[in-house]
Amino acid sequence: NAGVTQTPKFRVLKTGQSMTLLCAQDMNHEYMYWYRQDPGMGLRLIHYSVGEGTTAKGEVPDGYNVSRLKKQNFLLGLESAAPSQTSVYFCASNGGGYEQYFGPGTRLTVT
Amino acid sequence: QKEVEQDPGPLSVPEGAIVSLNCTYSNSAFQYFMWYRQYSRKGPELLMYTYSSGNKEDGRFTAQVDKSSKYISLFIRDSQPSDSATYLCAMSAEDSGGGADGLTFGKGTHLIIQP
Repeated sequence: NAGVTQTPKFRVLKTGQSMTLLCAQDMNHEYMYWYRQDPGMGLRLIHYSVGEGTTAKGEVPDGYNVSRLKKQNFLLGLESAAPSQTSVYFCASNGGGYEQYFGPGTRLTVT
Repeated sequence: QKEVEQDPGPLSVPEGAIVSLNCTYSNSAFQYFMWYRQYSRKGPELLMYTYSSGNKEDGRFTAQVDKSSKYISLFIRDSQPSDSATYLCAMSAEDSGGGADGLTFGKGTHLIIQP
């Protein structure tokens, strides 16, 4: 039981490049979330999903897209990366109880 | 005004001290209150969960919620160097770990326990 895993762990992009972050969970959870964490800003919700095939915007969705084609996977896409998207990205899942389970994070730098 | 306010620290205390961490909030709909602990370069992990007002104790940790004042606290007794981490408060109006809207987090307090 791996819990929540994220791929990749680190990435450096140039401005304008695109990439996809992958989140996978093996707990059969319905809810999945993407957060970003920046110094002095805390964790902010980017997008979330309440089940396979559904997605919705969170607090800071601009510049990101998401897909949930399979229940266990939640993908976060950056179509044209900008330096303001330099951050640590965390995926989380929730099975309807009170706990969100977080992945180890992806450190993204956009130059 | 941000919905949840939390002093980012750093807060540095000697080993064995009692630590008090706090958050204030403005949304009166929040009913579910959590504390997450985040070690350096790791994801947050749930430490304590409290529903509505009152206290909850788990070993050296006590969580308090005062809804009338919109104020929550986490106390750590007999603090240890292994408690050094960032502590994030989180809140939700939903009857779940954030449900459809996710959790609203404080910025986190960086705690350092000096040996």
